[in-house]
Amino acid sequence: DTGVSQNPRHKITKRGQNVTFRCDPISEHNRLYWYRQTLGQGPEFLTYFQNEAQLEKSRLLSDRFSAERPKGSFSTLEIQRTEQGDSAMYLCASSVDLYGYTFGSGTRLTVV
Amino acid sequence: AQSVTQLDSQVPVFEEAPVELRCNYSSSVSVYLFWYVQYPNQGLQLLLKYLSGSTLVKGINGFEAEFNKSQTSFHLRKPSVHISDTAEYFCAANQGAQKLVFGQGTRLTINP
Repeated sequence: DTGVSQNPRHKITKRGQNVTFRCDPISEHNRLYWYRQTLGQGPEFLTYFQNEAQLEKSRLLSDRFSAERPKGSFSTLEIQRTEQGDSAMYLCASSVDLYGYTFGSGTRLTVV
Repeated sequence: AQSVTQLDSQVPVFEEAPVELRCNYSSSVSVYLFWYVQYPNQGLQLLLKYLSGSTLVKGINGFEAEFNKSQTSFHLRKPSVHISDTAEYFCAANQGAQKLVFGQGTRLTINP
């Protein structure tokens, strides 16, 4: 068990560019979650996958955001046409049930 | 909608002193409650969780929390803190849905 892995750890991008983040969950975990954490706030739910199916999306996830989990393994979160307000820590978590998520170290996005 | 309120944004304490971090939740139905710790530039680590049963829950690093249904509270306590406990602490709730709802966090600072 190597934990939840997120790449890259840091990303600086210019406004208007597209970015993609990757999350590799714990191998036996079929549930995968994306959260966003802005400075001084708690994490906010973005989306949830069970296996390869995306079962829930937050209204925070505008049409510039898309997430995939092909084959129920790793997941990617893409942000198109980034805006300064997208600057945040993007956290991925995985679990086998409702009772214990394991979080990755996050990807910190800075939009300049 | 479910919400979680952490009553203190910052708590400074001296090393070896006791500490209590307060958390209140809003829910009229069964709820699962969690405390997470976040060290700088890292993801969240689960400290403890309440699912059912005994209202006093013991977690890692000497932390414990007490579930109080009548006061809708889930305060975190430690009888004697160490410098290494300096971190951000988040209370979270799950009302049987897939997502966790987090509080805004409490920054615990330990002074020597």
